[in-house]
Amino acid sequence: QQQVKQSPQSLIVQKGGISIINCAYENTAFDYFPWYQQFPGKGPALLIAIRPDVSEKKEGRFTISFNKSAKQFSLHIMDSQPGDSATYFCAASIQGAQKLVFGQGTRLTINP
Amino acid sequence: DGGITQSPKYLFRKEGQNVTLSCEQNLNHDAMYWYRQDPGQGLRLIYYSQIVNDFQKGDIAEGYSVSREKKESFPLTVTSAQKNPTAFYLCASRGGRASGELFFGEGSRLTVL
Repeated sequence: QQQVKQSPQSLIVQKGGISIINCAYENTAFDYFPWYQQFPGKGPALLIAIRPDVSEKKEGRFTISFNKSAKQFSLHIMDSQPGDSATYFCAASIQGAQKLVFGQGTRLTINP
Repeated sequence: DGGITQSPKYLFRKEGQNVTLSCEQNLNHDAMYWYRQDPGQGLRLIYYSQIVNDFQKGDIAEGYSVSREKKESFPLTVTSAQKNPTAFYLCASRGGRASGELFFGEGSRLTVL
């Protein structure tokens, strides 16, 4: 119940295309869903996060879509750029809880 | 600049040797974490600490030990009991309970020969 399942494991998108990464969870008590971006040799950094009281959150070219009934959330990267090439992790937690549960990660490559 | 500093960045050790990875933060955060990253397995929690002199086991604590003697420091020891210690290790910290954001260091890559 504590797992977050992320797909795909790797993704290749052409420059200017839309990148979509999906995550699914089981624990309905989760109420905080962040996405982290990690460049090679670096630590992950928070990209965007959503709470379940909204179905979508947009920050620039990055959008989280949240489907509470399906227990799924996804990251959409519009107009994907080579600089977006990185590993992306979804995660989930219960507000106030000390632990964040991470998905398995998606290695995104944007071809120029 | 405020942040998390991990050292060393790269470390090579022989089997059977204990190694200690350093993690220092100047963000004045109470909570600190150690994660292990392996390809295709995401980030797995090793240990975490909410306050000085207190820490809890995460999901994969076997073969690891930690201490939290100072708020700023949370070193991780990879002991000889850890069966597969070669990995990328990430330290993180978090501010108050209301904030879910983790701030990560740049990681330490341990290779056991």
